[in-house]
Amino acid sequence: GAVVSQHPSRVICKSGTSVKIECRSLDFQATTMFWYRQFPKQSLMLMATSNEGSKATYEQGVEKDKFLINHASLTLSTLTVTSAHPEDSSFYICSARLQPGLREETQYFGPGTRLLVL
Amino acid sequence: AQSVTQLDSHVSVSEGTPVLLRCNYSSSYSPSLFWYVQHPNKGLQLLLKYTSAATLVKGINGFEAEFKKSETSFHLTKPSAHMSDAAEYFCVVSDRTGNQFYFGTGTSLTVIP
Repeated sequence: GAVVSQHPSRVICKSGTSVKIECRSLDFQATTMFWYRQFPKQSLMLMATSNEGSKATYEQGVEKDKFLINHASLTLSTLTVTSAHPEDSSFYICSARLQPGLREETQYFGPGTRLLVL
Repeated sequence: AQSVTQLDSHVSVSEGTPVLLRCNYSSSYSPSLFWYVQHPNKGLQLLLKYTSAATLVKGINGFEAEFKKSETSFHLTKPSAHMSDAAEYFCVVSDRTGNQFYFGTGTSLTVIP
């Protein structure tokens, strides 16, 4: 149980275009999902917290107009990288948790999406 | 504030020998601690977690970790390394709500045949 999927797994796009990444909780409902970014050989950096039916909460330094997050249902959150540039190339990972308010609750991670902007 | 320090950026062991990946944490309250493993170009898989129950936590694939409050440590161990254990390992502490995960910088484990 507690499987999280991401689509696509890999995407290559031209500079200036927008890319949408989907994160789905396959066998549970996720009231909260998280989006991380990971640079090569580095740890994960939290970009934003996404709550179903409300606006995402962005971490300091993350441009909300560039990284659009939508959490329209309890099983789907999307991250859209708008007007992508080569510096946006990275590994994007989402995670989901089962219940809010329980600090012991685990985050279940998706397999990640590799974005390459040419 | 919460934070974790992974003391070794890289660990190399021979197949069949013990594995020790070190993690020290800082937390203003009783923490929840996790170990995740990441294989190349893959997402993170939960190995084990500590949530104020038994201090010795057993996880998947033969891994275990011991929570030592006096030493503020949560080291990950395995009695006998397997080639498939080669990966990146992250120690994580969560905030009081569980919404914020604080990642260590990771330890890359190499297993020598």
